[in-house]
Amino acid sequence: KAGVTQTPRYLIKTRGQQVTLSCSPISGHRSVSWYQQTPGQGLQFLFEYFSETQRNKGNFPGRFSGRQFSNSRSEMNVSTLELGDSALYLCASSARPTGIGTGELFFGEGSRLTVL
Amino acid sequence: AQRVTQPEKLLSVFKGAPVELKCNYSYSGSPELFWYVQYSRQRLQLLLRHISRESIKGFTADLNKGETSFHLKKPFAQEEDSAMYYCALSGGMDSNYQLIWGAGTKLIIKP
Repeated sequence: KAGVTQTPRYLIKTRGQQVTLSCSPISGHRSVSWYQQTPGQGLQFLFEYFSETQRNKGNFPGRFSGRQFSNSRSEMNVSTLELGDSALYLCASSARPTGIGTGELFFGEGSRLTVL
Repeated sequence: AQRVTQPEKLLSVFKGAPVELKCNYSYSGSPELFWYVQYSRQRLQLLLRHISRESIKGFTADLNKGETSFHLKKPFAQEEDSAMYYCALSGGMDSNYQLIWGAGTKLIIKP
């Protein structure tokens, strides 16, 4: 079974630009979560999608958005990039949504975003 | 509010010494707790969860509801245990069933 795939793996943007990151979950997994990982803040939850619906959202500004398609693939978008958005963005998939009887999260390798 | 606290950002021990990574939580219901690990240049992955009561790679973690702790322990550290470790709590309805993550502990095993 293929693991969680994230594209692109690395990207460099300048302030004010926007970026779209993609995540393909493990086949059969309908829950996709997104995290921002930085050395100073650790793992910060962005949002979770399950069956194309956003279930949860973390404390990030509205510049951060996401969506999930009918094939469970997910994208996240960051508009009007700021220097502080430089981070590793991780996607995780699971068979069940987080919560009651939370299953194991399977993480991708991440997309490393650098904002200049 | 539901919270997971990992008090040590960095823990350094010698090879062969016992290791204990601390995790304390605040949660009013019956918690579901996990340890995730991220080795250098590898994906973040599940190490163990409290409901499994397993020992993975020599690590164990016991849920102590009285002390609201879920510390990760290993009697004899090995160099390959060097990694970033995250404790996570599966929250209930109050947190809309989010996974609550600790800040992580970087474990360094010295030769």
